[in-house]
Amino acid sequence: DAKTTQPPSMDCAEGRAANLPCNHSTISGNEYVYWYRQIHSQGPQYIIHGLKNNETNEMASLIITEDRKSSTLILPHATLRDTAVYYCIVRAYQAGTALIFGKGTTLSVSS
Amino acid sequence: GAGVSQSPRYKVAKRGQDVALRCDPISGHVSLFWYQQALGQGPEFLTYFQNEAQLDKSGLPSDRFFAERPEGSVSTLKIQRTQQEDSAVYLCASTDRNIPGNTIYFGEGSWLTVV
Repeated sequence: DAKTTQPPSMDCAEGRAANLPCNHSTISGNEYVYWYRQIHSQGPQYIIHGLKNNETNEMASLIITEDRKSSTLILPHATLRDTAVYYCIVRAYQAGTALIFGKGTTLSVSS
Repeated sequence: GAGVSQSPRYKVAKRGQDVALRCDPISGHVSLFWYQQALGQGPEFLTYFQNEAQLDKSGLPSDRFFAERPEGSVSTLKIQRTQQEDSAVYLCASTDRNIPGNTIYFGEGSWLTVV
């Protein structure tokens, strides 16, 4: 079973920041937090991942709380093309482990 | 190629027919995964290969599902005697080293409809 909890849906106005929360209260010390998104009819697309520190790349920022029990994915300036299902995934440390997807958050960006 | 490539992109099979779905991982990637995604659901893990070795097949739903990767590169997912409940998108993913902190890349999927 997925070890994360996400709201089923969120709305965001185009040009605004989209803040997607994720709860992972049972995360272990050496488990990573990954974010993927899936646009309709496409395969999941990697966004970002982190262990303890906040991370930023060209797509998004990942804020992980100090106790690591929750995180937030931030899309700084959402566009219509960011409309997708966003998955927050906790990945076990052991080599050979797969990504286990939950139901994700459906983000709808509107103009 | 630049990404994970899957074929066919779309497949319609009659119930009872056998199907084979192909995955070409990113060149040099030793780890390969197969997932099944039903309509409206998140992807579900099926099986995992490290080179040619199938190290985890715990997610395969029945013995009608079989996956192979004989030379450690291209992989094939075979479904025998297809049933309507097999209708789903089948996703392939690969990574260069399957350790935490590495990125796993997905293909666009093979859409299977069993009629």
